[in-house]
Amino acid sequence: AQSVAQPEDQVNVAEGNPLTVKCTYSVSGNPYLFWYVQYPNRGLQFLLKYITGDNLVKGSYGFEAEFNKSQTSFHLKKPSALVSDSALYFCALRGSARQLTFGSGTQLTVLP
Amino acid sequence: DVKVTQSSRYLVKRTGEKVFLECVQDMDHENMFWYRQDPGLGLRLIYFSYDVKMKEKGDIPEGYSVSREKKERFSLILESASTNQTSMYLCASSGQGRYEQYFGPGTRLTVT
Repeated sequence: AQSVAQPEDQVNVAEGNPLTVKCTYSVSGNPYLFWYVQYPNRGLQFLLKYITGDNLVKGSYGFEAEFNKSQTSFHLKKPSALVSDSALYFCALRGSARQLTFGSGTQLTVLP
Repeated sequence: DVKVTQSSRYLVKRTGEKVFLECVQDMDHENMFWYRQDPGLGLRLIYFSYDVKMKEKGDIPEGYSVSREKKERFSLILESASTNQTSMYLCASSGQGRYEQYFGPGTRLTVT
């Protein structure tokens, strides 16, 4: 069985500071990993994905994520947070099954 | 841009009613998905479809059915709505060989 864990329900960071939203996974075989963002009363928006290749993946809105196979992690990062980055973030995994498994979500709040 | 639309943003139904949630995508995607989103639980897959007239159960199919008569349209049906089906319902689609999914805005269903 495959699973995704987002260990922090809530992350608070000051505007201008770097941010990290954590994600770990468990799967047999090679993982395909994704990050999505959800603004209030909206659907999920795709941010970035790791399929293969470079472990550092760059995505939309200045976000990036680092794939670490030995630690089975795929943490989302941004060098300088904006208040407008405040939203709910989901990590997702596609393993041998074709469907995605989502984490429980992390609420990011960027404080002005 | 991929556009996924859902028939209603907000819906209020009574216990025992039959409920139809409609989803339409305009990118000729083969794959379509229905999720429900509940606080602290992330997204859970209800049903998915990889082709017209084809459907597969996800993680929580009980109490739901689906219909896919045309490639662009995927309907979720609650045969007899119950209060524990009060939730946010999200539809998504993805193209053949593409792993990222694109989401609609969601339907917030309340069953009273």
